[in-house]
Amino acid sequence: AQSVAQPEDQVNVAEGNPLTVKCTYSVSGNPYLFWYVQYPNRGLQFLLKYITGDNLVKGSYGFEAEFNKSQTSFHLKKPSALVSDSALYFCAVRAFSNDYKLSFGAGTTVTVRA
Amino acid sequence: EPEVTQTPSHQVTQMGQEVILRCVPISNHLYFYWYRQILGQKVEFLVSFYNNEISEKSEIFDDQFSVERPDGSNFTLKIRSTKLEDSAMYFCASSENWDYEQYFGPGTRLTVT
Repeated sequence: AQSVAQPEDQVNVAEGNPLTVKCTYSVSGNPYLFWYVQYPNRGLQFLLKYITGDNLVKGSYGFEAEFNKSQTSFHLKKPSALVSDSALYFCAVRAFSNDYKLSFGAGTTVTVRA
Repeated sequence: EPEVTQTPSHQVTQMGQEVILRCVPISNHLYFYWYRQILGQKVEFLVSFYNNEISEKSEIFDDQFSVERPDGSNFTLKIRSTKLEDSAMYFCASSENWDYEQYFGPGTRLTVT
């Protein structure tokens, strides 16, 4: 079985400060890892993914994430947060096989204060 | 930018009634999915669909659920006889290929009374 843990329900940062949203995963074999963001009354928007290769992946809106195989983590980061980054962030995993389903974490609410 | 669309945005139905949730995936995508999120819980996978057949389904996707691609653009989820516990936000998603990222629609909030 595959699963994702997002240990923080909420993250609060000041605008301009670095933002980190934590994610750890469990999957058989190599993982596909994803981050999605959800704004109020909107669907889940794809931010970035890790499939293979460089452990640091860059995505939309200045976000990046670092894959750490030994710690089974895929933390989302942004060097300088904006108020507009306030949203609900989901980490997701799927197995590196002919397997279709994404397994999501519970989500982390990010609030960036001006 | 192309996006997945879903209708209706909110559906209220009585227990035991049939509902059909509709989705229009991104036009060049070949793989289609349904997920749901019960209030306060995680987003859960229901089913994936490719080449006009179900490729994977979860234990949630029992005989009360069915999916169909009735034409070249729509993808539907039918719940035959709704239960109170079917109340949730239902998300449709599509992807270009099985190992590509999935793009999600805005969701349909289903309320069963």
